[in-house]
Amino acid sequence: QVQLQESGPGLVKPSETLSLTCTVSGGSISSDYWSWIRQPPGKGLEWIGYIYYGGSTIYNPSLESRVTISIDTSKSQFSLKLTSVTAADTAMYYCARAESGDYVDSWGRGTLVTVSS
Amino acid sequence: DIVMTQSPVSLAVSLGERATINCTSSQSVLYTYNNKNYLVWYQHKPGQPPKLLIYWASTRESGVPDRFSGSGSETDFTLTISSLQAEDVAVYYCQQYYATPWTFGQGTKVEIK
Repeated sequence: QVQLQESGPGLVKPSETLSLTCTVSGGSISSDYWSWIRQPPGKGLEWIGYIYYGGSTIYNPSLESRVTISIDTSKSQFSLKLTSVTAADTAMYYCARAESGDYVDSWGRGTLVTVSS
Repeated sequence: DIVMTQSPVSLAVSLGERATINCTSSQSVLYTYNNKNYLVWYQHKPGQPPKLLIYWASTRESGVPDRFSGSGSETDFTLTISSLQAEDVAVYYCQQYYATPWTFGQGTKVEIK
């Protein structure tokens, strides 16, 4: 059973860059699609984007100008960078696996990121 | 983007009774080449990550109780909990993976009456 664990700062200042890492264990990162999804407090889920283990990415157009997802297969990790953050980026951020690029079947427990000075 | 609309927003059902959640997509999520509907249902409890219940609109994930079932095709889908249990209190989301960006419904909160 694959397990995912998010890590990174819980507090980011406005206009700075949010950086999170997801560590994958119990399975190979060198397959499948690896995704980031977020949920602002009291709101619904928003898909940020995904990366295929080979490195190709697809992002949500609503965030595409600010988002980069990368992968390091040697460390079994993939990462999220979101630039120029504002309070609207405050959310629980989840990393997740989409087997075969279809539906997400495994989620990390999530990490809360607050954007505040 | 494909817009996913769920109804109702919240639902209170007595223990042992049926709960029905509807999800409508702004365009068909059925791929005719494989006759599959690219829609999932998740259960989300506070403090936990979402849990996959149903994929391909009607296939139950391994380990999910059989009181959960999914139905529908093209643009109209339903998640049914046949006999509500206390542990089913949660927010339920539908999500399409037919096209990027993947999009979610706004969620339906299920409570005990």
